[in-house]
Amino acid sequence: DAEITQSPRHKITETGRQVTLACHQTWNHNNMFWYRQDLGHGLRLIHYSYGVQDTNKGEVSDGYSVSRSNTEDLPLTLESAASSQTSVYFCASSPGLAGVSQETQYFGPGTRLLVL
Amino acid sequence: AQSVSQHNHHVILSEAASLELGCNYSYGGTVNLFWYVQYPGQHLQLLLKYFSGDPLVKGIKGFEAEFIKSKFSFNLRKPSVQWSDTAEYFCAVMGGFKTIFGAGTRLFVKA
Repeated sequence: DAEITQSPRHKITETGRQVTLACHQTWNHNNMFWYRQDLGHGLRLIHYSYGVQDTNKGEVSDGYSVSRSNTEDLPLTLESAASSQTSVYFCASSPGLAGVSQETQYFGPGTRLLVL
Repeated sequence: AQSVSQHNHHVILSEAASLELGCNYSYGGTVNLFWYVQYPGQHLQLLLKYFSGDPLVKGIKGFEAEFIKSKFSFNLRKPSVQWSDTAEYFCAVMGGFKTIFGAGTRLFVKA
C-alpha cells in the first residue's frame, strides 16, 4: 500500500549539531509539507514543496531548510539545532492535481526531536 | 492575516454526551475548511472537509460540522461520543496556497 514514512521516529541531539529528518511518500504526490507541532500552537508550517526542485518557506522557516530532488522525498534539515526546535515534526503530502486548497493532506507518523 | 482559533484546549466528556468543538477563522477570501483528528499514537487523519454547497458536512465516525459564513465558524459536532473518540482534534483553514491549523482540542471521553 502507498504510504508516507518518516525517519527517525525519535531523535535526541545537542545544540549546534546539524540534523536531517527524512520524509518519504509512495503516492507520487506532487505536494509535500513539513509542520512542527507544539502544545498551544497546533501545527505550524515550516516549508513546503509543490514539485521537484520547488521549495517554499512557511510560517516558521527560520533555522530549517528543505530540498526536493525527486517526487518521493522531502528531507528537512536543521542547520544548527537549537533547544527551541525541540518539537514533534510531521511531514504531509497531497496529490497536487486539483487546486491546492481543496486537497486533503496525508500525514506521516511524526518525528519527536529533543535538542539538549 | 489568516488565523484559526479553537475555543477549548481540553474537553472532558462522559460516554454518550454530546460534543461540540468550536472553530473560528479569519480570512478575507474564499476558504476551504477541514477537521483532522489525531488518535493517541496515530497519524493525523482527515475527519471531514467543506469546500462549497451544503454547509452541513458529514464525516467519518458520526461526526459532522456546520459552516456558518456570517460567523466565520466551522464547529465540529457529534451527538453521542464514545470512549474511542478520545483524541486531539484540529481545525484547518486553507485559503489561497496556505494552510493554517488551529492549536488543537484534546478530547477525553470517560468510559
